[in-house]
Amino acid sequence: RKEVEQDPGPFNVPEGATVAFNCTYSNSASQSFFWYRQDCRKEPKLLMSVYSSGNEDGRFTAQLNRASQYISLLIRDSKLSDSATYLCALDTGGFKTIFGAGTRLFVKA
Amino acid sequence: SQTIHQWPATLVQPVGSPLSLECTVEGTSNPNLYWYRQAAGRGLQLLFYSVGIGQISSEVPQNLSASRPQDRQFILSSKKLLLSDSGFYLCAWSPMGQLNQPQHFGDGTRLSIL
Repeated sequence: RKEVEQDPGPFNVPEGATVAFNCTYSNSASQSFFWYRQDCRKEPKLLMSVYSSGNEDGRFTAQLNRASQYISLLIRDSKLSDSATYLCALDTGGFKTIFGAGTRLFVKA
Repeated sequence: SQTIHQWPATLVQPVGSPLSLECTVEGTSNPNLYWYRQAAGRGLQLLFYSVGIGQISSEVPQNLSASRPQDRQFILSSKKLLLSDSGFYLCAWSPMGQLNQPQHFGDGTRLSIL
């Protein structure tokens, strides 16, 4: 099993739709989890951290399921500007972070 | 606030030529520093990380090397580039001594080897 796996997509959704991505991980010792957004030919930018209790930032909700070892990102009321690649990331127990290969999202008018 | 600068933005180099990419961080002391490579349509591959001046950990054996001559400066080098070195190189930082903190990336360098 890979250390972290994401469905590469692409997810094609209309504006206003709700879309959810999952990211599974294999290292049960991981303590910190993050979602990044990467636009085409740009650097990844931190979207949000993922807390055990789940957290919300506007239209974005992140959740962690330790028992099943996955994190999720829910985007409500999708906007055209949400089109990007979404990378999950988690710590490996030290100073290193491992990143998923990303899920591509296309939001269409 | 902290900022990270990376240059050049793009670079075209012939096979066998040397390489030097530079990254500097401002607004923080003793950051953890990282070099990643991202091939087209692929995920991030960690190349090197550093938790202090002169401390370099290599993740993948290859013809690249890294150095940290100053606290907030991280350099990626090669003596002889290969075609397979093409990619998007990203420098990142995270707060010193703090585990489980998110990393923040520079704008990246897009390297093409001819």
